[in-house]
Amino acid sequence: DAGITQSPRHKVTETGTPVTLRCHQTENHRYMYWYRQDPGHGLRLIHYSYGVKDTDKGEVSDGYSVSRSKTEDFLLTLESATSSQTSVYFCAISPRTGEDTEAFFGQGTRLTVV
Amino acid sequence: KQEVTQIPAALSVPEGENLVLNCSFTDSAIYNLQWFRQDPGKGLTSLLLIQSSQREQTSGRLNASLDKSSGRSTLYIAASQPGDSATYLCAVKDFNKFYFGSGTKLNVKP
Repeated sequence: DAGITQSPRHKVTETGTPVTLRCHQTENHRYMYWYRQDPGHGLRLIHYSYGVKDTDKGEVSDGYSVSRSKTEDFLLTLESATSSQTSVYFCAISPRTGEDTEAFFGQGTRLTVV
Repeated sequence: KQEVTQIPAALSVPEGENLVLNCSFTDSAIYNLQWFRQDPGKGLTSLLLIQSSQREQTSGRLNASLDKSSGRSTLYIAASQPGDSATYLCAVKDFNKFYFGSGTKLNVKP
């Protein structure tokens, strides 16, 4: 299994509070991604990173920010959590661009906003 | 914007049956297509990767095909087993992003 660790694995938080999810990799892969998974929507890209301090938005980025200060860590922050952000969040990594490269996923973080 | 669709959304079959899962995508300019398996409450496990220059890939009882021109991929599972019960997702890759379908939930009955 690819060395990807997400923390925490489960979290319950209150509406309006800030929340930070962490993704840590030991593979030295260049690309890191944050997805959310909701019933009926599959996985949707929130933000991704293509290097240290290099990030870009995905299709559902509103209300989320990210940071990558080291190759191995990619943080996802919900500045002020809302109930619509209740979801399962997955981190993924990929070594580079190219048709031979695949995505590897972490075990997910289940976030509940009450 | 790439749209990925998987049909059917759910499938129930008796053990031993051969089955086909479908994945379609709207933009044929892809780098590759990946099939994943997801068990309840778990992460995604990669099953097969088909590069854009390839037509199919095989792993054990699984065979995946890719037709870029028509925007379609199929995952063939031979001699299905109860342990194959899971949700199967396909994802297409453009330059540096992966786009997912909503998945097919498979139930193989003993």
